Amino acid sequence: NAGVTQTPKFQVLKTGQSMTLQCAQDMNHNSMYWYRQDPGMGLRLIYYSASEGTTDKGEVPNGYNVSRLNKREFSLRLESAAPSQTSVYFCASSEWIWTGGNTEAFFGQGTRLTVV
Amino acid sequence: GDSVTQMEGPVTLSEEAFLTINCTYTATGYPSLFWYVQYPGEGLQLLLKATKADDKGSNKGFEATYRKETTSFHLEKGSVQVSDSAVYFCALSDSGGYQKVTFGTGTKLQVIP
Repeated sequence: NAGVTQTPKFQVLKTGQSMTLQCAQDMNHNSMYWYRQDPGMGLRLIYYSASEGTTDKGEVPNGYNVSRLNKREFSLRLESAAPSQTSVYFCASSEWIWTGGNTEAFFGQGTRLTVV
Repeated sequence: GDSVTQMEGPVTLSEEAFLTINCTYTATGYPSLFWYVQYPGEGLQLLLKATKADDKGSNKGFEATYRKETTSFHLEKGSVQVSDSAVYFCALSDSGGYQKVTFGTGTKLQVIP
């Protein structure tokens, strides 16, 4: 049982290049998330998908796009990378239930992205 | 909206010292509360959770009690070890459908021998 799998683990981009971070989960969860983690800033939500076919902006969506391809996969795209997007990116998933809200979130191992 | 406030770090303790990391929250419904731990170079993993008022979550010697009256979920451990050095995140998930998980900013703990 792999849980949440992110690719790639490391990436270096030049300013203006584009790339897509991939995320897949095998727990049949409805909710998926993309966070970025910067020193001293904790986790900041970029985008959120409550279910297949829906996406919502989080705290810091500018410069990013997402696609919820199916229930398993949630990708994050940087169309024109900027140095300010240098960060560690985490994908996560969780399940919601009607009376109890989400269960705990399960995280991938992260993607360390450097934009030069 | 929902929010989680944690004490700022870093927190530096000697081995076998008592640990408290404070966490308070704001939520509109009846949230579930969580503590996550992140070891260097890794993703976050669930440490413990509590789903209703007065519940106590515990794991690996860590404990936290869901206090609705003070909207708090403080993390405690009686005797820390060097291997507990990590970043700890408090989080909540509010009740109702489609509510996302909200995280605090994290508290870095360093335990010295």
